[in-house]
Amino acid sequence: DTGVSQNPRHKITKRGQNVTFRCDPISEHNRLYWYRQTLGQGPEFLTYFQNEAQLEKSRLLSDRFSAERPKGSFSTLEIQRTEQGDSAMYLCASSLSTGPSSYEQYFGPGTRLTVT
Amino acid sequence: DQQVKQNSPSLSVQEGRISILNCDYTNSMFDYFLWYKKYPAEGPTFLISISSIKDKNEDGRFTVFLNKSAKHLSLHIVPSQPGDSAVYFCAASNNFGNEKLTFGTGTRLTIIP
Repeated sequence: DTGVSQNPRHKITKRGQNVTFRCDPISEHNRLYWYRQTLGQGPEFLTYFQNEAQLEKSRLLSDRFSAERPKGSFSTLEIQRTEQGDSAMYLCASSLSTGPSSYEQYFGPGTRLTVT
Repeated sequence: DQQVKQNSPSLSVQEGRISILNCDYTNSMFDYFLWYKKYPAEGPTFLISISSIKDKNEDGRFTVFLNKSAKHLSLHIVPSQPGDSAVYFCAASNNFGNEKLTFGTGTRLTIIP
């Protein structure tokens, strides 16, 4: 496994339901980021972890969103009581926090969420 | 508040010619800038970057230029190849890249054979 993986790749849910996405970063990466991308826009930062610690959350992230990285490896992003405005591509990225290539974030393929 | 702007949603260039993609930013605290390339159904892939202490960085066919006074950067691709057709995102960061990325809206580049 040489890349960031995300599951599921696609999720269709009804408004009001809860959904959970999983991200498996590159194994030696200690930083993990979540971004959201809507049509015609660039990825927008949601939150990030360094090891198990959640270091920053976007002010745009409502209380219905929660992310965890319990063992400093994989991460989950949960959205409770989904709304149609949550429909987007959810991207995960990982990186190192130190070293000459710490600026480079490696992205997974994303999970496309459609709320009906 | 769009802190990173890519004003050209699309660009078409003849194969073999130069492609120039532009990006402007408003936040003077940004000190690291990156270009990502995205194909359909894939996540963005890192292409090239530049620190604010430089004004040019080159990697093969790709060169990024930074004009700090104008808060402007550009990506040059020479010569352009059909495989370069993709969406290109400009991104900016603080702490010399060791922070979250703020992305522009992207430019769709099409290389015409």
